Amino acid sequence: ETGVTQSPTHLIKTRGQQVTLRCSSQSGHNTVSWYQQALGQGPQFIFQYYREEENGRGNFPPRFSGLQFPNYSSELNVNALELDDSALYLCASSWGAAGPYEQYFGPGTRLTVT
Amino acid sequence: KQEVTQIPAALSVPEGENLVLNCSFTDSAIYNLQWFRQDPGKGLTSLLLIQSSQREQTSGRLNASLDKSSGRSTLYIAASQPGDSATYLCAVDFTSGSRLTFGEGTQLTVNP
Repeated sequence: ETGVTQSPTHLIKTRGQQVTLRCSSQSGHNTVSWYQQALGQGPQFIFQYYREEENGRGNFPPRFSGLQFPNYSSELNVNALELDDSALYLCASSWGAAGPYEQYFGPGTRLTVT
Repeated sequence: KQEVTQIPAALSVPEGENLVLNCSFTDSAIYNLQWFRQDPGKGLTSLLLIQSSQREQTSGRLNASLDKSSGRSTLYIAASQPGDSATYLCAVDFTSGSRLTFGEGTQLTVNP
């Protein structure tokens, strides 16, 4: 069973640029959730994708967008990067969305915006 | 507003000590609660998942309890070891939608 993987591991971008982060869900999982973790804080829910559709969104602006593909892998896109976007971005997969399923997290992507 | 709070923010103990980490949440209508471990700069490792119908879960030296009526969960670590040093995060699913609300974590240091 393959776990959740994320790429890249680290990324450095300049304010105003755009970035795409990638996540491959655990085998058999159809739901991917994205979280932002600022330094010293707990992760914050960004949004969730279930069977290629957005299925809920946290308190993040529209410049945070995403996609889920037929194989259930997912992308997080952030436009017009701001310094406060510097964080660890985590993705989690689960068996489904309509139920209290256990979340399995990837290793994260560390984004630094300068 | 549904919130999760963890106390203390940091804890330093000598090796071998038994310890308790606390988590409180504002809404008793939860669906499940997960405890995670996070090493510096790394992702989250799931330690224990407690469904809303359960009172506790155990895995090795770890035991997590859940009291929905009081809005509390505790993570008990027996016979702590230096390798237990990490940040421990409590997360609650308030929505039955597989999305989690996290506390800010307890940073644990176990000294040899």
